Amino acid sequence: AQTVTQSQPEMSVQEAETVTLSCTYDTSESDYYLFWYKQPPSRQMILVIRQEAYKQQNATENRFSVNFQKAAKSFSLKISDSQLGDAAMYFCAYGGTNFGNEKLTFGTGTRLTIIP
Amino acid sequence: DAGVTQSPTHLIKTRGQQVTLRCSPISGHKSVSWYQQVLGQGPQFIFQYYEKEERGRGNFPDRFSARQFPNYSSELNVNALLLGDSALYLCASSFSGMGTDTQYFGPGTRLTVL
Repeated sequence: AQTVTQSQPEMSVQEAETVTLSCTYDTSESDYYLFWYKQPPSRQMILVIRQEAYKQQNATENRFSVNFQKAAKSFSLKISDSQLGDAAMYFCAYGGTNFGNEKLTFGTGTRLTIIP
Repeated sequence: DAGVTQSPTHLIKTRGQQVTLRCSPISGHKSVSWYQQVLGQGPQFIFQYYEKEERGRGNFPDRFSARQFPNYSSELNVNALLLGDSALYLCASSFSGMGTDTQYFGPGTRLTVL
């Protein structure tokens, strides 16, 4: 079974600064997907970024980028130029590709606070 | 385009009752998954359906059941409610349900069991 670990329950960052959220995972599969989802107080789970395990290049979406280290099973999220709207719970998730095991496995989340 | 919709938004039930939660996927998506998110934790997978067939089931008791309709909408049923069933129930849709597809989430249904 796959597991996802987020070791930082809470993080804070000054507005306009950069912050990195950590995530490690465990799997025996060679092909899979990794995701970062954001959940603001409104509860809606919003996709931030997605990484395909077979791609060496780290994914980037505007101010959001990841550092994917497949051998180390590490998948961190970097948020540049932090904005007040970035305040939320951030969940790292693992997605399998084998038929019947395509569910998402989530970590426990990191609460990000933006300091004005 | 409308996103994933869920109803109701909030629900209060008492122990032993039964509840039905509803989900409509994004237009064109044929797979629906259900997750339970207990306060302070990440979502836990309950079910995945694709083309009305169950494609995956998480580690939940038989009190939990689901189905998918021809229009790809879905219902999650929970019987004999326990206090521990209090949670946010999230529905997610994807095009095919395959791992290559991104799952998009609805706003959730907050269930409180008294």
